[in-house]
Amino acid sequence: AQSVTQLGSHVSVSEGALVLLRCNYSSSVPPYLFWYVQYPNQGLQLLLKYTSAATLVKGINGFEAEFKKSETSFHLTKPSAHMSDAAEYFCAVSYGGSQGNLIFGKGTKLSVKP
Amino acid sequence: DTGVSQNPRHKITKRGQNVTFRCDPISEHNRLYWYRQTLGQGPEFLTYFQNEAQLEKSRLLSDRFSAERPKGSFSTLEIQRTEQGDSAMYLCASSLGGGGQETQYFGPGTRLLVL
Repeated sequence: AQSVTQLGSHVSVSEGALVLLRCNYSSSVPPYLFWYVQYPNQGLQLLLKYTSAATLVKGINGFEAEFKKSETSFHLTKPSAHMSDAAEYFCAVSYGGSQGNLIFGKGTKLSVKP
Repeated sequence: DTGVSQNPRHKITKRGQNVTFRCDPISEHNRLYWYRQTLGQGPEFLTYFQNEAQLEKSRLLSDRFSAERPKGSFSTLEIQRTEQGDSAMYLCASSLGGGGQETQYFGPGTRLLVL
């Protein structure tokens, strides 16, 4: 079965430090890949997505992710963390066709220390 | 574009009762999805509609669950004879198109607590 693995359920960084959130998918067919962010008591908001164009994708709020087919990975990075980045981040995949749903990882909660 | 809205935002019910949730998608979005999210987990797919047709249902969607999208606009999700294991956040999302690469826009969710 297709699945998404997010390494680290909780990541803590200092303000100004690099943010790296890991995501790996299990499929021989490259899927469409998404990163969503969820702030407390809010719905999920799209940060960025990979749809088979450029492998380095830039998103909102200074985040970017790189699709690496050989590693089946789509890790999310931000050069300098801000306090407002504290939230839960979800990686998701979609395979299109008649299967329209997203398959989500378990999420990584990001804490930012002052 | 007013976004996806869901009502109610919170629902507390007793085991065995029926509950119904409503989702209003972004207007003109042809696809509407329901997901369930439990504590410490990512959202899990339940079902989706393309216009008024329900195209796919997850194995998670037991026969106590039913979803409708009359006229291809808003959707309702009903849970009959609720169980404590149904306690979760129920998320609705909508999208335009259907190739798999389109963005799904999520509502704020309905948090259900079954006592």
